[in-house]
Amino acid sequence: KQEVTQIPAALSVPEGENLVLNCSFTDSAIYNLQWFRQDPGKGLTSLLLIQSSQREQTSGRLNASLDKSSGRSTLYIAASQPGDSATYLCAVNQAGTALIFGKGTTLSVSS
Amino acid sequence: ETGVTQTPRHLVMGMTNKKSLKCEQHLGHNAMYWYKQSAKKPLELMFVYNFKEQTENNSVPSRFSPECPNSSHLFLHLHTLQPEDSALYLCASSQGVGTDSEKLFFGSGTQLSVL
Repeated sequence: KQEVTQIPAALSVPEGENLVLNCSFTDSAIYNLQWFRQDPGKGLTSLLLIQSSQREQTSGRLNASLDKSSGRSTLYIAASQPGDSATYLCAVNQAGTALIFGKGTTLSVSS
Repeated sequence: ETGVTQTPRHLVMGMTNKKSLKCEQHLGHNAMYWYKQSAKKPLELMFVYNFKEQTENNSVPSRFSPECPNSSHLFLHLHTLQPEDSALYLCASSQGVGTDSEKLFFGSGTQLSVL
């Protein structure tokens, strides 16, 4: 059974720092991996989707990498801003089932 | 605006009440989902509908009853809930299920409190 783990569970950084969020999964037979952002009490917004054949995807200050063989993905946020404060979730997509999510990393960026 | 709309945004109900959550998507997708999000837990998949047919029921108690009249609308009927059912209920849609191009779009959720 696929399990998705995210560490750390929470992270606090000062504005301007670069940071890395980690996601690991136990079954490497995935189609793709998605990173989502969730603001408190709100739904999820898709940030980046990496296909299993890709190594990384970039969008603005965000860069997501994928190492499928080792079951790991990272989300790199450059020059963090207070507006980046949110919970970040990763989810893997496998054949025949809906996305499987990690518990998320709650990020707090202080000004 | 993700194209997935959920109502109501907040709901408080007693354990003996009956209420329904509504979800509507304007994206032309074929699959719709209900997820439950409780504090300190991963999102829990509850139900999946693909082309109006239920394809997954993740061992959800019968006090939760889904309904999918068409590909654009999804309901979650609630009755005799327990306080531990208090959570954020999220609806999502996608073009397909378990395909290599699946990308989920989420609604803003319904924050449910059961007293």
